[in-house]
Amino acid sequence: DTAVSQTPKYLVTQMGNDKSIKCEQNLGHDTMYWYKQDSKKFLKIMFSYNNKELIINETVPNRFSPKSPDKAHLNLHINSLELGDSAVYFCASSQPIGTGDTDTQYFGPGTRLTVL
Amino acid sequence: DQQVKQNSPSLSVQEGRISILNCDYTNSMFDYFLWYKKYPAEGPTFLISISSIKDKNEDGRFTVFLNKSAKHLSLHIVPSQPGDSAVYFCAASGTGYSTLTFGKGTMLLVSP
Repeated sequence: DTAVSQTPKYLVTQMGNDKSIKCEQNLGHDTMYWYKQDSKKFLKIMFSYNNKELIINETVPNRFSPKSPDKAHLNLHINSLELGDSAVYFCASSQPIGTGDTDTQYFGPGTRLTVL
Repeated sequence: DQQVKQNSPSLSVQEGRISILNCDYTNSMFDYFLWYKKYPAEGPTFLISISSIKDKNEDGRFTVFLNKSAKHLSLHIVPSQPGDSAVYFCAASGTGYSTLTFGKGTMLLVSP
């Protein structure tokens, strides 16, 4: 059973296009995240949602818009893609706050985005 | 400013020997530390964690040591196996932090 899944796994697109990456978790977690792993291999937090509400928004361009239709899904929509957006994007989720082990995050397999 | 540092980009160890991966942090507010393992084309997988109230946590072949005064933690793998070859990320969290801060990772290669 896949705990955190992302689609697509690979995404190749032209500059200027709009694209979405989907994430779903079946762990019953309330909190979901998007991370970006750039060419320098750093994993950096982009967004965090708790129970469908945005709680963290790092300094990410507003071309990136997360959307959480329910607490099991957190999708990432990117407008007007730029070359610098090429990276691997990871979705993650963690336990509801107050249930213990809240800081352990479980990651999806990643989506490799290539902007040409 | 890197708050979590893994200064060794890579480490090579022979099968059966001990692997020691190091991590330093600068933020004294961090009180929970994790190690993740990542294979190519996969997401990071949680390996082991330690709270700042402990100085050691063990799970099978994996042991994490925390030295709060030095702001240093290490992951020991013994005995190392070829299947342990992966990138290992150190991560930290703390009271008031809603997410994890990751190090840059150390690539471990265990040769037969």
